[in-house]
Amino acid sequence: AQSVTQPDIHITVSEGASLELRCNYSYGATPYLFWYVQSPGQGLQLLLKYFSGDTLVQGIKGFEAEFKRSQSSFNLRKPSVHWSDAAEYFCAVGADSLNDMRFGAGTRLTVKP
Amino acid sequence: DSGVTQTPKHLITATGQRVTLRCSPRSGDLSVYWYQQSLDQGLQFLIQYYNGEERAKGNILERFSAQQFPDLHSELNLSSLELGDSALYFCASSVTLRGTGELFFGEGSRLTVL
Repeated sequence: AQSVTQPDIHITVSEGASLELRCNYSYGATPYLFWYVQSPGQGLQLLLKYFSGDTLVQGIKGFEAEFKRSQSSFNLRKPSVHWSDAAEYFCAVGADSLNDMRFGAGTRLTVKP
Repeated sequence: DSGVTQTPKHLITATGQRVTLRCSPRSGDLSVYWYQQSLDQGLQFLIQYYNGEERAKGNILERFSAQQFPDLHSELNLSSLELGDSALYFCASSVTLRGTGELFFGEGSRLTVL
């Protein structure tokens, strides 16, 4: 069965520092991979997605993610974090064979001034 | 604004009661998904409807049911409520049937069971 693991429950970084949030997935075929962000009191918003092609995908708000098939990973990165990036980040996987989308447990990002 | 509307935003009720949560999807989206978000369980998929028909079921309790109406809005009915049902319930919509397209989420309905 497809599944998503986000190993880090909570990460704290200083404003201006770089960020990497980890995501590992389990699925036999090529998955559809997504990163969503949830700000406090809000619904989830799509940051970026990967279906095929270039393994480095660019998203909104300066985020990017790299698909590494050999490592079953889809890590999210940002070169310089802003205080407004403090939120919860969810990795998700979908598939042609399934209707639903599976979400990881989420990583809460705290940004220190 | 995602275009997905959920009502009510907050709901407080007692154990044993029944509530109905409502979702209006984005214009043109045929798929509606319901998710439950709680601190200990994370974001759990409950059920999906596509153009009025149930198409996928996740970890939805038998006390819960849902439907999608001809105008594509959806309702999630929660009955015989227990304390553990307190959570944030999200509705999301999508153009596609499969979980391969972007999901657009509402702001959620926060249910508190006392």
